[in-house]
Amino acid sequence: AQSVAQPEDQVNVAEGNPLTVKCTYSVSGNPYLFWYVQYPNRGLQFLLKYITGDNLVKGSYGFEAEFNKSQTSFHLKKPSALVSDSALYFCAVRDIRRMDSNYQLIWGAGTKLIIKP
Amino acid sequence: GAVVSQHPSWVICKSGTSVKIECRSLDFQATTMFWYRQFPKQSLMLMATSNEGSKATYEQGVEKDKFLINHASLTLSTLTVTSAHPEDSSFYICSARDAEDQPQHFGDGTRLSIL
Repeated sequence: AQSVAQPEDQVNVAEGNPLTVKCTYSVSGNPYLFWYVQYPNRGLQFLLKYITGDNLVKGSYGFEAEFNKSQTSFHLKKPSALVSDSALYFCAVRDIRRMDSNYQLIWGAGTKLIIKP
Repeated sequence: GAVVSQHPSWVICKSGTSVKIECRSLDFQATTMFWYRQFPKQSLMLMATSNEGSKATYEQGVEKDKFLINHASLTLSTLTVTSAHPEDSSFYICSARDAEDQPQHFGDGTRLSIL
């Protein structure tokens, strides 16, 4: 069965330290992977995606993610955390059950990231 | 670029009222739009997928007659919660995509509170 796992409900990081938000997936074939961020009472904002190419993907606000096929992971990283990075982060993978243009995303449960001053 | 506007952002109304939520793609043509529901501290629950000019595809367990979706143009989709009741109170979010390999772009959501 296809799935996305974000094993940590919450991640706490001190400002200025590197951060990692974990995501693992289970899907047949080559995955399309996405990271989104959600601030309180707002919709989601797209951060980055991996479809093909370099395993290290750079995205918005200084975030990057590394696709690791052998570990089926797509962890989100940032070298130096800011207090303003505090938000809810969602990992998602393309649902391959529908391969047409209406494909949907399978969403992780979300990880709350708290950056402390 | 890729801005999605969702209105209203907050609705409070009496039980039995029908509520319409609009989702517009402002600077791109949205071939596909999605409607989600999000409960507190939970992930997104996909309600339906819609393409311009055709009927929406609803997820299992979502009542078609309760949640009416119209995607009349490439820039506008609407969700109407008919005869809303307190259990329909939730955060509703739309998203839009212009091409298959492009990410979904989200509106800011609508907080619906039914008294």
